[in-house]
Amino acid sequence: DARVTQTPRHKVTEMGQEVTMRCQPILGHNTVFWYRQTMMQGLELLAYFRNRAPLDDSGMPKDRFSAEMPDATLATLKIQPSEPRDSAVYFCASGLVRPRETQYFGPGTRLLVL
Amino acid sequence: KQEVTQIPAALSVPEGENLVLNCSFTDSAIYNLQWFRQDPGKGLTSLLLIQSSQREQTSGRLNASLDKSSGRSTLYIAASQPGDSATYLCAVSLQGSSRLTFGEGTQLTVNP
Repeated sequence: DARVTQTPRHKVTEMGQEVTMRCQPILGHNTVFWYRQTMMQGLELLAYFRNRAPLDDSGMPKDRFSAEMPDATLATLKIQPSEPRDSAVYFCASGLVRPRETQYFGPGTRLLVL
Repeated sequence: KQEVTQIPAALSVPEGENLVLNCSFTDSAIYNLQWFRQDPGKGLTSLLLIQSSQREQTSGRLNASLDKSSGRSTLYIAASQPGDSATYLCAVSLQGSSRLTFGEGTQLTVNP
């Protein structure tokens, strides 16, 4: 049963600390997305990669957020330094460009920055 | 900038009722429209995807329609069941991009 996995599932940290979230996309998927979900803003795209290259990171605060794909089986989202306003659920999703571009979501990382 | 609106924000119905969820978007130059389901504390599950050239898609008791010119989509759920209780999100992508813009969702409760 292929699925997107994310670690950690929950993270509580203090303001100023570095946070790293990891995602393992479904094997064979060439597109990986990072989303953030909050009550106030809903679900927002932060960045996405195709064939490991960043295609769109316009939704990501560049001064503290960074996203990478070291290899085809791992995507990372890093926040440094973290702030209370970063508290949210961060979702990773993966998919294929063709034929249908359906996105498959992971269970999310619930982040709380104190 | 693409904006997606979903109405109603919340809906409570008795089991067995047929219901319609609405989604509207401001930029009609979409590539596709997707309906997702989100259960509390979980990720999103794709329900239906409609390409811009299509008018509707069906899966079991679900039927989604798309009217690109008017910027609207509806998700029809037939014979609703308590297991259908979840938040339903509509999302669109524009031509040339895989970026999805999501609506705020409709929180559905189906009462036994």
